[in-house]
Amino acid sequence: QVQLVESGGGLVQPGRSLRLSCAASGFTFSSYGMHWVRQAPGKGLEWVAVIWYDGSNKYYADSVKGRFTISRDNSENTLYLQMNSLRAEDTALYYCAKDRQLVTTAGLDCWGQGTLVTVSS
Amino acid sequence: QSALTQPASVSGSPGQSITISCTGTSSDVGGYNYVSWYQQHPDKAPKLVIYDVSNRPSGVSNRFSGSKSGNTASLTISGLQAEDEADYYCSSYTSTNTVLFGGGTKLTVL
Repeated sequence: QVQLVESGGGLVQPGRSLRLSCAASGFTFSSYGMHWVRQAPGKGLEWVAVIWYDGSNKYYADSVKGRFTISRDNSENTLYLQMNSLRAEDTALYYCAKDRQLVTTAGLDCWGQGTLVTVSS
Repeated sequence: QSALTQPASVSGSPGQSITISCTGTSSDVGGYNYVSWYQQHPDKAPKLVIYDVSNRPSGVSNRFSGSKSGNTASLTISGLQAEDEADYYCSSYTSTNTVLFGGGTKLTVL
């Protein structure tokens, strides 16, 4: 079945970097857009970034633009999120999610269980 | 990028129907038929229940329906059941090729 498994979260100091990974299985990874969505403790969902099926286009929320980079390796069925210059407000559970289409439709039909990122000194 | 506007909470009794609204602008909800709705139970990942304004994924109960008028989308749950108690989020594609979520609505089944 379709499965997404995130990893790479942890405790990191402000200003440092962290890279998240999302291993995909059970579907043709290279045929779908992929997203990162985060949820701060006790708060709502916040969209972070999307990458199209072939990696040709990437878009970001204003809150992370210039600091985060989304990428994918279709040969390894893996999605990444490189997070630099981390801030306390980046503390959240980070989900990877699969789009229903090749590009961006906002219909995310499969989600991982999330990986927790805590930014604190 | 302001979040889409949803009511903080709604409630209903078992068997009743409830509607959750999601208001955006002509640059997101009003401009595209890419509105989705998600159900999230405590400590669980979100689950897609409506996509493209009014379509249900396979396996989602037909008690869930979606619609849109102008810049406002709506999710209706009919025949409320205890298991429907959860947080609900709307989302929309935007004119800048990004995605916006609503602030979320807590549904309480009385």
